[in-house]
Amino acid sequence: DGGITQSPKYLFRKEGQNVTLSCEQNLNHDAMYWYRQDPGQGLRLIYYSQIVNDFQKGDIAEGYSVSREKKESFPLTVTSAQKNPTAFYLCASSGRGVGANVLTFGAGSRLTVL
Amino acid sequence: GQSLEQPSEVTAVEGAIVQINCTYQTSGFYGLSWYQQHDGGAPTFLSYNALDGLEETGRFSSFLSRSDSYGYLLLQELQMKDSASYFCAVDLTSGSARQLTFGSGTQLTVLP
Repeated sequence: DGGITQSPKYLFRKEGQNVTLSCEQNLNHDAMYWYRQDPGQGLRLIYYSQIVNDFQKGDIAEGYSVSREKKESFPLTVTSAQKNPTAFYLCASSGRGVGANVLTFGAGSRLTVL
Repeated sequence: GQSLEQPSEVTAVEGAIVQINCTYQTSGFYGLSWYQQHDGGAPTFLSYNALDGLEETGRFSSFLSRSDSYGYLLLQELQMKDSASYFCAVDLTSGSARQLTFGSGTQLTVLP
């Protein structure tokens, strides 16, 4: 089955540590996204990528970094510069043509900073 | 910037009809989307309005009025499994990537 796989599902880190969240898709989608969700809040865009080796900052990119070396993969690094990293992180992708206006989401990664 | 307003909570009983409103302030957008999210889960796509009017998909319908800066999601024949959060999002796409700005979500509770 096609879909998006995020790992790990739960992650704990100490303050001052960087952590990388994995996102892999087998939907052959060109565009990929990272969103952050805080309790009772909507989704806020961190970074997005339209194509391999290209990515753009979203609304809340400070303290985060990404790479897009392969079409299938879009990992997110939460750096120690991110002041309040505890949140639910969602990866998504979208294709072209019919259904291009639809984002498909992964199951998410819940990061807790101790 | 863009902002979207949704009610934070809505409660209804099984079998009823409920409408979740979404008002927005944005300078321009391609369409209005609706997503459903069960607790701790992945958001899933429900509907998209590119044009004004009503879009119907089974028990769910969505409406958009650009002149009123307003949209809504209508859920009919409510079922317990419809208890979830519902998010509206404006589509500000530039290029091939979708740029969605989400509202804060409406928590729907369906009572037996």
